[in-house]
Amino acid sequence: DTGVSQNPRHKITKRGQNVTFRCDPISEHNRLYWYRQTLGQGPEFLTYFQNEAQLEKSRLLSDRFSAERPKGSFSTLEIQRTEQGDSAMYLCASRLEGVLSYEQYFGPGTRLTVT
Amino acid sequence: QKEVEQDPGPLSVPEGAIVSLNCTYSNSAFQYFMWYRQYSRKGPELLMYTYSSGNKEDGRFTAQVDKSSKYISLFIRDSQPSDSATYLCAMGEDTGKLIFGQGTTLQVKP
Repeated sequence: DTGVSQNPRHKITKRGQNVTFRCDPISEHNRLYWYRQTLGQGPEFLTYFQNEAQLEKSRLLSDRFSAERPKGSFSTLEIQRTEQGDSAMYLCASRLEGVLSYEQYFGPGTRLTVT
Repeated sequence: QKEVEQDPGPLSVPEGAIVSLNCTYSNSAFQYFMWYRQYSRKGPELLMYTYSSGNKEDGRFTAQVDKSSKYISLFIRDSQPSDSATYLCAMGEDTGKLIFGQGTTLQVKP
């Protein structure tokens, strides 16, 4: 257990529905990252936060996706009007920003299945 | 061309063998390099982290980085069946976002 938790662990939804995932990072970590992983591929970067500020978004993050990190603690990732292509594992990672400190610790992921 | 290339395998070895896993990359801006292990349907687990060229050893694991050749390796000595997993290389810049390879599936047979 890395100390990063994600909920729910598995979500099955019908196409067109909205879903929201939650990530609780390691408590002192000020940077939080979201990645998406499809079967047989490595994780792909989606977005990241430093405290409550969202600093970068990947082109993979279409306008149906939105992420927040209120008060710089937990983060949520919402997907609106889900499509079958959104089926993937959504991973959250956190890191403490500092000199030569780049280790990122991942949560267990939320597996999304869109039917 | 992908920024990070990694042979997906699968790689099958007998217990006790030395395993060599490799990645190549194209972006000279990458500053740090990591290896993660991922079991089926689990999140990636950080194994090794290096910031510069050279070797870093931790138990049965050795990470090697050659920035001049844009090539990184992970060696596993005395491999065990419990090492059977997917191994992901990852690298990044100042922002901290990681670029991953595709992952290599390793099976260690008893």
